[in-house]
Amino acid sequence: DGGITQSPKYLFRKEGQNVTLSCEQNLNHDAMYWYRQDPGQGLRLIYYSQIVNDFQKGDIAEGYSVSREKKESFPLTVTSAQKNPTAFYLCASSNYLDKGSVDTQYFGPGTRLTVL
Amino acid sequence: AQTVTQSQPEMSVQEAETVTLSCTYDTSESDYYLFWYKQPPSRQMILVIRQEAYKQQNATENRFSVNFQKAAKSFSLKISDSQLGDAAMYFCAYRSMLGFGNEKLTFGTGTRLTIIP
Repeated sequence: DGGITQSPKYLFRKEGQNVTLSCEQNLNHDAMYWYRQDPGQGLRLIYYSQIVNDFQKGDIAEGYSVSREKKESFPLTVTSAQKNPTAFYLCASSNYLDKGSVDTQYFGPGTRLTVL
Repeated sequence: AQTVTQSQPEMSVQEAETVTLSCTYDTSESDYYLFWYKQPPSRQMILVIRQEAYKQQNATENRFSVNFQKAAKSFSLKISDSQLGDAAMYFCAYRSMLGFGNEKLTFGTGTRLTIIP
């Protein structure tokens, strides 16, 4: 089946530790995104990548880092510099249409990160 | 910057009845996309419906339809014949049509829909 997978589903981290969230897609999509969801708020964009070996900061990139070494993979690292990392993290992907326009974003099942 | 507002934190509807969820947005762009996403208890975001601003015809997907009022910057979602499986958080989202570097989705804060059996 084609889709987006995220692992793990639940993740616990001690304060001061870095942790990496996995996102893999087999949809052959060019663009990938990371969003953060907090209670009572909509999703906010952390980072996005339009092509391999390139990525851009979103609205709340501080304390996060990403890499895009392969088209199908876009891991997110939550560093110890992120002051309030407990949240639900969603990965998405989309394709590019003609004239640079992007298609609809499709989402993975998410990872719940809790800092102890 | 664009903003999306959902003024109804919670809504409820009797099973088989019709409900309308409201969404307004603010933008200076003339071409853009609008979306409704559904987030059930599993928390996976599922696309419900999509509307291109340049299209005058309102989008429809089975029991789901939108009322897109471009001048009023309003984008409401109507769910007909509500079913128990429709219970979820519903998010309205905006995306620019400017292409490279403008792909992000801007979300509202969501409306929690409860279906009463």
